[in-house]
Amino acid sequence: EVQLVESGGGLVKPGGSLRLSCAASGFIFSDYNMNWVRQAPGKGLEWVSYISGSSTYTHYADSVKGRFTISRDNAKNSVYLQMNSLRAEDTAVYYCARFPFPCGADCYNFDYWGQGTLVTVSS
Amino acid sequence: DIQMTQSPSSLSASVGLRVTITCRASQSISSYLNWYQQKPGKAPKLLIYAASNLQSGVPSRFSGSGSGTDFTLTISSLQPEDFATYYCQQSYNIPPAFGGGTKVELK
Repeated sequence: EVQLVESGGGLVKPGGSLRLSCAASGFIFSDYNMNWVRQAPGKGLEWVSYISGSSTYTHYADSVKGRFTISRDNAKNSVYLQMNSLRAEDTAVYYCARFPFPCGADCYNFDYWGQGTLVTVSS
Repeated sequence: DIQMTQSPSSLSASVGLRVTITCRASQSISSYLNWYQQKPGKAPKLLIYAASNLQSGVPSRFSGSGSGTDFTLTISSLQPEDFATYYCQQSYNIPPAFGGGTKVELK
């Protein structure tokens, strides 16, 4: 069974840092490109960042570029999101989500999601 | 970046009714369009990928259609467990943008 379990959320002051983790199981982790997607309270979904299976490629939303860093450790079946210079508008539930592999008809849909971890940025 | 617009933002419907949600892309995305269902406090769930392909385990009352810029999600006969928020998402390129969501409520 595919499982994605996020951790590391919490309350942090504006300007602070936080590192989120996502532990994967039930599939060959290194084959899959991974993402972070967030959802502010009462709002819609916003893609945040992407990392390829071998960590060769990363992408970021403009709203977090230069402040957030995605990384992964395939030996630990985990993907991470280092968040620096946090702002109130970064307050959200952060989901870890997988792109499919192999990706026949569509490579950029999110076929499995974790349960999310809440990040609150407030003084 | 490609922008996604959903309509309506919310709707009220009764059990058994047919429901249609639309999604429009700011440029042609061929058939690279996906639909998700999200219930309160839960993660989104992939329903339909590549515009019209039902994800494994999703009931056949859900269907998707469209190509280019205009897409629809149809629930043929609304069931109590279908009351949720639905999101479209373009998978033509990165960033993979979502629509604003459509909340389906009980009438």
